[in-house]
Amino acid sequence: KQEVTQIPAALSVPEGENLVLNCSFTDSAIYNLQWFRQDPGKGLTSLLLIQSSQREQTSGRLNASLDKSSGRSTLYIAASQPGDSATYLCASGGHSGAGSYQLTFGKGTKLSVIP
Amino acid sequence: GEEVAQTPKHLVRGEGQKAKLYCAPIKGHSYVFWYQQVLKNEFKFLISFQNENVFDETGMPKERFSAKCLPNSPCSLEIQATKLEDSAVYFCASSQTYGTGGSGEQFFGPGTRLTVL
Repeated sequence: KQEVTQIPAALSVPEGENLVLNCSFTDSAIYNLQWFRQDPGKGLTSLLLIQSSQREQTSGRLNASLDKSSGRSTLYIAASQPGDSATYLCASGGHSGAGSYQLTFGKGTKLSVIP
Repeated sequence: GEEVAQTPKHLVRGEGQKAKLYCAPIKGHSYVFWYQQVLKNEFKFLISFQNENVFDETGMPKERFSAKCLPNSPCSLEIQATKLEDSAVYFCASSQTYGTGGSGEQFFGPGTRLTVL
């Protein structure tokens, strides 16, 4: 059964700093990995999806990398802003027990960017 | 629509009552997924559909939970005889393609917060 771990659970940084969020997964047989942000009381906003054949994806100040063989993904946020404060979740997309596809989520990293 | 819509936003039920949640996927998306978020960030997969066909329901407590996606109607998740432990936020997500192709980016709705008293 796939397990996804995110470290650290919480992170507080001053505005302008570059930062890295980590995600690890136990089963490397994944189809893709998706990063989300969740604001308090809100739904999930998809940030980036990396297919298993890809090494990284970039969107604006965000860069996500994937190393399938070592079971790791990182989300790099450049020049952090207070508006980046949220919980960041990674989810691996792979086979469920029934053989179909589903996302398995980590517990998230709560990011606070201090002005 | 361009976003996944979920109704209602909040739902309060007494233990033993029925609860019904609705989800309208993004137009053109064939795949719908339901997830349950409990205890802050514990996401549990419940069920997936391709159009109106159930793909995988292994996450559903079948004795009380049921779900449908019928043509030209919002998808629904129904809980008969709710229990205290059903209190959670229920998220619906849709995708244009299935994830086994590597893409299959899922887009989530805002969720329905169910409180069982």
